[in-house]
Amino acid sequence: GAVVSQHPSWVICKSGTSVKIECRSLDFQATTMFWYRQFPKQSLMLMATSNEGSKATYEQGVEKDKFLINHASLTLSTLTVTSAHPEDSSFYICSARWGGPRETQYFGPGTRLLVL
Amino acid sequence: DAKTTQPTSMDCAEGRAANLPCNHSTISGNEYVYWYRQIHSQGPQYIIHGLKNNETNEMASLIITEDRKSSTLILPHATLRDTAVYYCIVNFNKFYFGSGTKLNVKP
Repeated sequence: GAVVSQHPSWVICKSGTSVKIECRSLDFQATTMFWYRQFPKQSLMLMATSNEGSKATYEQGVEKDKFLINHASLTLSTLTVTSAHPEDSSFYICSARWGGPRETQYFGPGTRLLVL
Repeated sequence: DAKTTQPTSMDCAEGRAANLPCNHSTISGNEYVYWYRQIHSQGPQYIIHGLKNNETNEMASLIITEDRKSSTLILPHATLRDTAVYYCIVNFNKFYFGSGTKLNVKP
């Protein structure tokens, strides 16, 4: 299957600072990537859809000014958590849509964020 | 919102087949059924997907009922490493995850 990477795998930051998470499709081009958040013992929650060359679309209840998404190229999307607070501590996971004959999404390994 | 319902948990003996059901009674004609699994603290892993016909790959088989309102994921010979949360997702464009089924494979 296709490979998606995320960097960093974990990050600890102070409250009020900003944190950038990268998502890369390593062996395919992805015009569409997705960002999810997962709290302990809960399922994945879709945050936003990242489209190469255009603005991201956010799910209801997700603050676009707090979670900045940039889809800089066909293989890279970034999520910046601005002015992070302890309640933003979570597991952030990206996926990339592979548009081959049997289109599907491939997920990254996730980034664990802890805001102190 | 997720359009699927799955049992919260299931047990399976190692070496036996694991049959995981999923109900998706409101599925639309152009929506695929996808199955992923998530092992603790990792990103979801793709297993299989299908539209109408049954599908099989090296990991699993997917059986979709004729009316497409439900499906079953079959792991033919479960191992301890198959212990995970299994998600059934119905999708046209975006994935909305439900609660999934926690499969416990026991020795």
